[in-house]
Amino acid sequence: GENVEQHPSTLSVQEGDSAVIKCTYSDSASNYFPWYKQELGKRPQLIIDIRSNVGEKKDQRIAVTLNKTAKHFSLHITETQPEDSAVYFCAATGSARQLTFGSGTQLTVLP
Amino acid sequence: NAGVTQTPKFQVLKTGQSMTLQCAQDMNHEYMSWYRQDPGMGLRLIHYSVGAGITDQGEVPNGYNVSRSTTEDFPLRLLSAAPSQTSVYFCASSYSGGLWETQYFGPGTRLLVL
Repeated sequence: GENVEQHPSTLSVQEGDSAVIKCTYSDSASNYFPWYKQELGKRPQLIIDIRSNVGEKKDQRIAVTLNKTAKHFSLHITETQPEDSAVYFCAATGSARQLTFGSGTQLTVLP
Repeated sequence: NAGVTQTPKFQVLKTGQSMTLQCAQDMNHEYMSWYRQDPGMGLRLIHYSVGAGITDQGEVPNGYNVSRSTTEDFPLRLLSAAPSQTSVYFCASSYSGGLWETQYFGPGTRLLVL
């Protein structure tokens, strides 16, 4: 089945700096890659997603890039703010028809 | 719309007890699923359903049963609780696109098995 690895597990940045979280996947048939944000004690919520026919997608301060050849995709957050502090999960949907999540990245934005 | 709702919010069970975690959605979503979330392991799929009367196993189905008699409800049953089932359980739903669409998560149920 699909295996999604996510790095780093923790990330601290200064407010205003950029943050990058990287994920790799194993199933070459995977074609949908969402990113979820989970604040402490809350439910995961979708922040951005990308499909395999697109290499990059942006939504204001958030962007996701996909490299199908290398089987990796990344989340980029620019001009980070304290409210960006949360756990971020990447995920992939592949041939097994299951959404497989990475293990999460705890992002802390320092004031 | 209430979205996806889950009950209870928190439950303590003794080993061997059974219980049902409730999940309901009022968005007329066809696809519903159950995940468990353990520290350092992300979310893992337990069972999912692509519509009323249809269910299938996910990554970690052992010890859990599901049924889908209506579009709105998707209960998760623990047959004989074990300490390894201590976790936070999330129900999610999405439009007919299933796994390739936005998953709307419920608020979660925190389960402690002693």
